[in-house]
Amino acid sequence: GENVEQHPSTLSVQEGDSAVIKCTYSDSASNYFPWYKQELGKGPQLIIDIRSNVGEKKDQRIAVTLNKTAKHFSLHITETQPEDSAVYFCAASIGRDDKIIFGKGTRLHILP
Amino acid sequence: NAGVTQTPKFRILKIGQSMTLQCTQDMNHNYMYWYRQDPGMGLKLIYYSVGAGITDKGEVPNGYNVSRSTTEDFPLRLELAAPSQTSVYFCASSSGTGREQYFGPGTRLTVT
Repeated sequence: GENVEQHPSTLSVQEGDSAVIKCTYSDSASNYFPWYKQELGKGPQLIIDIRSNVGEKKDQRIAVTLNKTAKHFSLHITETQPEDSAVYFCAASIGRDDKIIFGKGTRLHILP
Repeated sequence: NAGVTQTPKFRILKIGQSMTLQCTQDMNHNYMYWYRQDPGMGLKLIYYSVGAGITDKGEVPNGYNVSRSTTEDFPLRLELAAPSQTSVYFCASSSGTGREQYFGPGTRLTVT
């Protein structure tokens, strides 16, 4: 079936440095790629999304890039802060009704 | 505006028991979803609904049932609980495809 691969599963970066999380997807018809942040004990929350007609999108310290030819997309967080510590999920729309398939998640640790 | 609410927060079931996880949203969203989250495995779609009276299977529907009699409510039913159904269950809603999904706080279910 269709799937989304996400790497790395765990990432530790020094506060102030940048973090990059990468995902690949299998369905060439996917056209919507959201990123969710999940803090401990809470439900996921959308932080940024990108559609297939756009190659890059930025929102303050967060940016997402999309390469449709290679079927991969990435999340970039610059000037990381302690509150960025969380689990991040990439996702892609698939099939009828554009259901969302999630990657397995990346646990991001911001080191003081 | 409470968003998406789920009850109960925690539940322990014995093998073979049944229960219903409740989900309600007050955003007048047509689309609603049920996911399960297992450690290190991301979120897997169980069932979804595109409107009252319409439901469809996701990636992992076996052992579950849903109904959607109103726009606001989307209960998830477990008929014969099994240890493999131990997980955290999240309900979500959105205004349509390619739109942000709003997640509830989750229900942690243990089957022993």
